[in-house]
Amino acid sequence: EAGVTQFPSHSVIEKGQTVTLRCDPISGHDNLYWYRRVMGKEIKFLLHFVKESKQDESGMPNNRFLAERTGGTYSTLKVQPAELEDSGVYFCASRPQGSGNSPLHFGNGTRLTVT
Amino acid sequence: GQNIDQPTEMTATEGAIVQINCTYQTSGFNGLFWYQQHAGEAPTFLSYNVLDGLEEKGRFSSFLSRSKGYSYLLLKELQMKDSASYLCAVRDQTGANNLFFGTGTRLTVIP
Repeated sequence: EAGVTQFPSHSVIEKGQTVTLRCDPISGHDNLYWYRRVMGKEIKFLLHFVKESKQDESGMPNNRFLAERTGGTYSTLKVQPAELEDSGVYFCASRPQGSGNSPLHFGNGTRLTVT
Repeated sequence: GQNIDQPTEMTATEGAIVQINCTYQTSGFNGLFWYQQHAGEAPTFLSYNVLDGLEEKGRFSSFLSRSKGYSYLLLKELQMKDSASYLCAVRDQTGANNLFFGTGTRLTVIP
């Protein structure tokens, strides 16, 4: 089965610009998560979708971040306008619904650099 | 808040055994995961513990003590390809069972 795929793998943008990250979860996985790792820090939770609904967005840093999952398939994470502190690696992960203790399957991440 | 601690770096010799420790303080507990991450790649699942004791899976084993808030990952017969970061992550019981990660332990295996 295809894994979690993320696009782009790298993005370099200037402060104030907009960037949209995309995540395609494993087919059939209802749960989709976004995480972020800032340089030197731990991977931190951003938000969680169950199908197209936001289950928990308590980790979103501020209203410059907008995540969507229309149709409950792929998800996008838009940062507008980007700030320097948004630089980091953004990971997407998925797992099946009702899967109890099944682990998250992660994508390779998108490395975002804001200059 | 959630607090998960693990050593930043470790070095071990090929063929040896290494133990990576993880201590945690979380508001809830619904399992502890270990992930392996090679540079530039996705974290990949290694092991899961929710009850006290040792879980063995080939060369890798993971131990959990819930009363002590402690886990370790044991890697036996180290190979050069085991050089990677090892992430300890705790799933809480609030909200949607999200994972809280430690900063990871960068393991370097030397010949």
